[in-house]
Amino acid sequence: GIQVEQSPPDLILQEGANSTLRCNFSDSVNNLQWFHQNPWGQLINLFYIPSGTKQNGRLSATTVATERYSLLYISSSQTTDSGVYFCAVRRMDSSYKLIFGSGTRLLVRP
Amino acid sequence: GAVVSQHPSRVICKSGTSVKIECRSLDFQATTMFWYRQFPKKSLMLMATSNEGSKATYEQGVEKDKFLINHASLTLSTLTVTSAHPEDSSFYICSDLRLAEPQETQYFGPGTRLLVL
Repeated sequence: GIQVEQSPPDLILQEGANSTLRCNFSDSVNNLQWFHQNPWGQLINLFYIPSGTKQNGRLSATTVATERYSLLYISSSQTTDSGVYFCAVRRMDSSYKLIFGSGTRLLVRP
Repeated sequence: GAVVSQHPSRVICKSGTSVKIECRSLDFQATTMFWYRQFPKKSLMLMATSNEGSKATYEQGVEKDKFLINHASLTLSTLTVTSAHPEDSSFYICSDLRLAEPQETQYFGPGTRLLVL
């Protein structure tokens, strides 16, 4: 099956720093999404980005589908950005199942 | 605000008992919902697809007699962990599938933490 790998697995930042999270996937996909899981476990949709670039405030994402990777940029990080960031992909079949990557655990220190 | 709710948020039970977890889509009639399981510091693993009015479809390796799923209405799916054992302790998360959005979207519930003693 399709493999989804994220890097780095852990990241510690000082408040105000910028960071780039990467998601590699092993096969063509119909859909790619980025999620933030807060410390209480709630998953929040960040981006639906099967290709191209999108921006939402301090966050932006870029997916290069032909090269099978996606990047999530966090600028001017805040302590509330802490948590786990997951990318998830949908296979090129008729189901809508998401396959989640291993996640990047981010800690932003004040 | 929340668009998918789960109840209970956490539950502790004795080994051998059954536990039911409810997942409600609050503002959408969801014909398809998903159940995931997450172990500490691990990723989400899809357990099954819950289909309104029909049987759930389970991922490989997930025991359907162990994890009973019922999706009797367009707003409610339930997951029952039968004869729970300590290894069933985990964080269970549901989501609903919305195809009518500008793009397909899954909204996730807040999760249920199950501890089996």
